[in-house]
Amino acid sequence: GENVEQHPSTLSVQEGDSAVIKCTYSDSASNYFPWYKQELGKRPQLIIDIRSNVGEKKDQRIAVTLNKTAKHFSLHITETQPEDSAVYFCAAINAGGTSYGKLTFGQGTILTVHP
Amino acid sequence: DTGVSQNPRHKITKRGQNVTFRCDPISEHNRLYWYRQTLGQGPEFLTYFQNEAQLEKSRLLSDRFSAERPKGSFSTLEIQRTEQGDSAMYLCASSHKFQETQYFGPGTRLLVL
Repeated sequence: GENVEQHPSTLSVQEGDSAVIKCTYSDSASNYFPWYKQELGKRPQLIIDIRSNVGEKKDQRIAVTLNKTAKHFSLHITETQPEDSAVYFCAAINAGGTSYGKLTFGQGTILTVHP
Repeated sequence: DTGVSQNPRHKITKRGQNVTFRCDPISEHNRLYWYRQTLGQGPEFLTYFQNEAQLEKSRLLSDRFSAERPKGSFSTLEIQRTEQGDSAMYLCASSHKFQETQYFGPGTRLLVL
């Protein structure tokens, strides 16, 4: 089955700096890669996603890049703000494959943005 | 609120008791998923429904766990003879048949004493 590794486990930055979180996956058939933000005690919320036919996607201060050959994808947050502090999870899925809807998540990154 | 809802939000029970959780997906989402999340970890897949059919179950879902979605709308997850190791956040998510994006509910936090 799919295995997703996420690094770093914790990330501390100063407000205004950039933050980068990296994930690798094992199943070359995975074709959809969402990123979720989870604040303490709250539900995971989708912040950005990318499909395997695209190498990069950007939404304001957030961007995701995908390298299918190396089987890794990254989340980039620019101009970080204290409200970006949360746990971020990457995930992978073979959408349309025999694993149906099963998302495999990374272990999470605790991002802390210091004012 | 038209998002995924879950009840109860918190449940404290004694070891050996049975518990049941409910998930109401986003209207018109025919796919529904259950995940379990322990402290400091990412969600782990438990099971998946398309309409009322349970199409996949994780090996994490022991015989003490059962999930249903009888009319293809809401779903229930029952844990029989709870154990302390069952303590976790149980998350439900739903998605539209033609979209990969899964939207999560707020979860039910279970504590087994």
